[in-house]
Amino acid sequence: AQSVAQPEDQVNVAEGNPLTVKCTYSVSGNPYLFWYVQYPNRGLQFLLKYITGDNLVKGSYGFEAEFNKSQTSFHLKKPSALVSDSALYFCAVRPTSGTYKYIFGTGTRLKVLA
Amino acid sequence: DSGVTQTPKHLITATGQRVTLRCSPRSGDLSVYWYQQSLDQGLQFLIQYYNGEERAKGNILERFSAQQFPDLHSELNLSSLELGDSALYFCASSVGLAGPQETQYFGPGTRLLVL
Repeated sequence: AQSVAQPEDQVNVAEGNPLTVKCTYSVSGNPYLFWYVQYPNRGLQFLLKYITGDNLVKGSYGFEAEFNKSQTSFHLKKPSALVSDSALYFCAVRPTSGTYKYIFGTGTRLKVLA
Repeated sequence: DSGVTQTPKHLITATGQRVTLRCSPRSGDLSVYWYQQSLDQGLQFLIQYYNGEERAKGNILERFSAQQFPDLHSELNLSSLELGDSALYFCASSVGLAGPQETQYFGPGTRLLVL
């Protein structure tokens, strides 16, 4: 079965330190990969996506993500975390054959400590 | 602001009742997706419509139904409500169906509480 895994329920990082939120997937072919962020009582906001090309994708608010095909991973990164980055982060995958369904991970709560 | 609107923002109802959630996609978007977000199950894909036609189905219960109207707004109908249906219901929209430029943009959600 196709799936997306976010192995950490929560990630804590000190303000100013680099952050990484992990995502791995099990989807055949060459899926499209996405990161979304959800602030309390808000909808999901699109951060970035990988379709093809350069393995390092830059997105909104200084976030970037690194695609690794051999490890089927798409980790979200930021060089210097801000307290305002504290939120729930979702990785999503969209297969490119057979289905139009997006598959979301369970989410990782990022807490940036001042 | 994503440009996707959802009404109502909050809904409180009783078990056994029926409710309708409404979604208006971003201008120009033809696809509408519905998701359920609950504390214990994360974000679950329910159903997708493209230009009025159902195109993909996820974990949608038989008590739930949806449709997309000619003006492209969509409604999600939840009937015979149970306590476990209490959740956040999100609508998302995208321009088309399957191309590489497709990105879903989410509405603010409708919080449903079944008592």
